[in-house]
Amino acid sequence: DGGITQSPKYLFRKEGQNVTLSCEQNLNHDAMYWYRQDPGQGLRLIYYSQIVNDFQKGDIAEGYSVSREKKESFPLTVTSAQKNPTAFYLCASQGGSVRNTEAFFGQGTRLTVV
Amino acid sequence: AQSVTQLGSHVSVSEGALVLLRCNYSSSVPPYLFWYVQYPNQGLQLLLKYTTGATLVKGINGFEAEFKKSETSFHLTKPSAHMSDAAEYFCAVSPRGSYKLIFGSGTRLLVRP
Repeated sequence: DGGITQSPKYLFRKEGQNVTLSCEQNLNHDAMYWYRQDPGQGLRLIYYSQIVNDFQKGDIAEGYSVSREKKESFPLTVTSAQKNPTAFYLCASQGGSVRNTEAFFGQGTRLTVV
Repeated sequence: AQSVTQLGSHVSVSEGALVLLRCNYSSSVPPYLFWYVQYPNQGLQLLLKYTTGATLVKGINGFEAEFKKSETSFHLTKPSAHMSDAAEYFCAVSPRGSYKLIFGSGTRLLVRP
């Protein structure tokens, strides 16, 4: 089935460690997004990518990095520079060249610092 | 910068009552507009969207929304709430000519028996 897959579902990180969250889609979508969700703050955009090998910072990019080497994949690395990484992370993709289409979301990764 | 405001972080209604969730956007040029629903520990699912054409948009699960340019609003309604509607609802905008997708802070809908 076509869709967008995030892994792992739960992730624990020690202080000072980098961790990478996976996001893969088989929808042939050009655009992909990473959002962070905290209670009462909605979804805040971390990074987004319109095409392979190109990406832009969102509103809260500090302490995060991404890559877009393949159309299907948009991994997010939470670096040790991110001081408060505990949150629910959502990846999304949006189709083709029609920019008014809806975004499809993965099931999310819950990251906890221990 | 484009922004989205959802009035009311929590809305509580009785089963069978009207649901009204409010969304306003800030933009001189009307963006593309979306409503999404999120159940606990899940991703988001599209309820409906407005791009062009008819300003009253019908979505899934009996929800609809009306785009009002003069009020820069895109409020979500459902005539009769069901217990299964209890979830968090997000309004989102995408500026025309941009891939950026911006969300409001969300409204949690509670449905009382």
